[in-house]
Amino acid sequence: QVQLQESGPGLVRPSETLSLTCTVSGGSLYDSLYFWAWIRQAPGKGLEWIGSGYYTGDTYYKPSLKSRVTISLDTSKSQFSLKLRSVTAADTAVYYCARDQEEKFDYWGRGTLVTVSS
Amino acid sequence: SYEVTQPPSVSVSPGQAASITCSGDKLSDRYVSWYQQRPGQSPLLVIFQDTKRPSGIPERFSGSNSGNTATLTISGTQTVDEADYYCQAWDSTTRVFGGGTKLTVL
Repeated sequence: QVQLQESGPGLVRPSETLSLTCTVSGGSLYDSLYFWAWIRQAPGKGLEWIGSGYYTGDTYYKPSLKSRVTISLDTSKSQFSLKLRSVTAADTAVYYCARDQEEKFDYWGRGTLVTVSS
Repeated sequence: SYEVTQPPSVSVSPGQAASITCSGDKLSDRYVSWYQQRPGQSPLLVIFQDTKRPSGIPERFSGSNSGNTATLTISGTQTVDEADYYCQAWDSTTRVFGGGTKLTVL
């Protein structure tokens, strides 16, 4: 059974960089069938795909976030990470990591709330 | 960029069928997935590739996709089905979610 767990600071100052890590167990980041994704949900709002990474280093990002986002995979640690630069209050959200098979996200983490505030 | 649209809310009586739509340009050219999200929980995949159910999802959940509209149907809706539902489509480089539909069972 694949399991994902997000970790990282729950509070980030405006203009700084949000950094989160997702640790994967029960599955391999090397598996060519899957991408590894970050998705967020602002309080009371819907789901927003941020981007996805592949074991080859290929990455895809939501166009409106592309200039601020980096997703990277550390296959040796079974972890992948999210960096979101120059955050504002609008980036306050629950951040989920998920296994991405293009047409579906089949396994999700429990999510971690990140608040942007001074 | 591609967009998909859902109604904000749908209401249904227990035991009746609920239908939630997802609209997008030539949506039937793409696979659509559906997710259920109960309050305080992570989303759960309930339908993928338009019509397929993951293991463990009850048979009362079904999906279709034709023209510009995909539909999630819950037959014999139960109170436990009250939740937010999201559709999701994709192309080679992006994934997109609908805005979500709150299903109320009353």
